[in-house]
Amino acid sequence: GAGVSQSPSNKVTEKGKDVELRCDPISGHTALYWYRQSLGQGLEFLIYFQGNSAPDKSGLPSDRFSAERTGGSVSTLTIQRTQQEDSAVYLCASTPGQPTDTQYFGPGTRLTVL
Amino acid sequence: AQSVTQPDIHITVSEGASLELRCNYSYGATPYLFWYVQSPGQGLQLLLKYFSGDTLVQGIKGFEAEFKRSQSSFNLRKPSVHWSDAAEYFCAVGLSSGSARQLTFGSGTQLTVLP
Repeated sequence: GAGVSQSPSNKVTEKGKDVELRCDPISGHTALYWYRQSLGQGLEFLIYFQGNSAPDKSGLPSDRFSAERTGGSVSTLTIQRTQQEDSAVYLCASTPGQPTDTQYFGPGTRLTVL
Repeated sequence: AQSVTQPDIHITVSEGASLELRCNYSYGATPYLFWYVQSPGQGLQLLLKYFSGDTLVQGIKGFEAEFKRSQSSFNLRKPSVHWSDAAEYFCAVGLSSGSARQLTFGSGTQLTVLP
């Protein structure tokens, strides 16, 4: 079946602009994660959604970052007033929802802030 | 807080040689441990994982890893490397805290395979 998809694959924006990144998880997966991968670094957890529970936002680096998940499926990560340090690859992952589930990752969105 | 260390930023091996990628973690309880591979332009793919039981775990593409509690390590091995194994490899620790579970990743090891 279809895997996790993300759009756009690449996004170039100017400093100060807002951007929206989209993630379509695997159908039926109740848990969804956002990570950020900066150049030369590992992945950094941003936010986690599980079903209808309140999201775990503990990884969001600032209040310019927010995310929502509509209808328990598609998620949108929004970055307001982008800064150059926001440039990174943003990865989304989903799982069926159990703690031991494997996370399936999408191909990522490469964000470049000029 | 938990952490994952991959001490080797870049490793170069010849095709057919054996491979060991190091991973050390810091976590108070028995962690969930993972190895992921990321090829250029592609997403992360799970190679193998350890939750409990046998400490030697077999994965895809001929990879294996061994959990050593006394050393807080989860090193990845392959007896004979293929050119297609050139990629970046990430070790990760998974947590379970009731309502949330997230992965903490190491900074990655870039593998180059020489012909």
